[in-house]
Amino acid sequence: AQKVTQAQTEISVVEKEDVTLDCVYETRDTTYYLFWYKQPPSGELVFLIRRNSFDEQNEISGRYSWNFQKSTSSFNFTITASQVVDSAVYFCALSEARNNDMRFGAGTRLTVKP
Amino acid sequence: DVKVTQSSRYLVKRTGEKVFLECVQDMDHENMFWYRQDPGLGLRLIYFSYDVKMKEKGDIPEGYSVSREKKERFSLILESASTNQTSMYLCASSLGGSGANVLTFGAGSRLTVL
Repeated sequence: AQKVTQAQTEISVVEKEDVTLDCVYETRDTTYYLFWYKQPPSGELVFLIRRNSFDEQNEISGRYSWNFQKSTSSFNFTITASQVVDSAVYFCALSEARNNDMRFGAGTRLTVKP
Repeated sequence: DVKVTQSSRYLVKRTGEKVFLECVQDMDHENMFWYRQDPGLGLRLIYFSYDVKMKEKGDIPEGYSVSREKKERFSLILESASTNQTSMYLCASSLGGSGANVLTFGAGSRLTVL
């Protein structure tokens, strides 16, 4: 089955710092989908972004940006000018095209201090 | 607003009890999932279902079973609860078809087994 690794267990930054959350994946499929979800302190996971394996174009949404590199099997997430409200656990996930079962990484807990 | 509803937010059970965790979605989604979330381990897939009365084992099915008698409802059953099943349980659903589909999560059920 597919595998997702988030090596950073916890990251702590001060407000307005930039921070990058790393995600490395493994899959045998040529067609797959990568996701990032956010789990705020309230607990409910919220979808942030999805990329397919054929689209390596980086994406920016406000202070959030994502860097997808197939050569290194990575899908990293950068928050620019972090804010206290960004404090959450962030999960990277992977689904293969022919399956519907999504696998998640262990998550990275981000704490943004004022 | 689309929703995945988990019937119990917090449960406390005793070792050996039979435990039912219920999940209902109102989005007419084909796929439903049960994950457990533990610190440092992220979300691990227990079981999932592509359709009514169909089920597939995930990565950690031992000690669990599931039931999907209706499209909107997916139940997780612990036949004889044990202390190592103390965890947060997350239900999710998605459209069928391919791995591209985003999961919508419930708020979670925190189970403590004494």
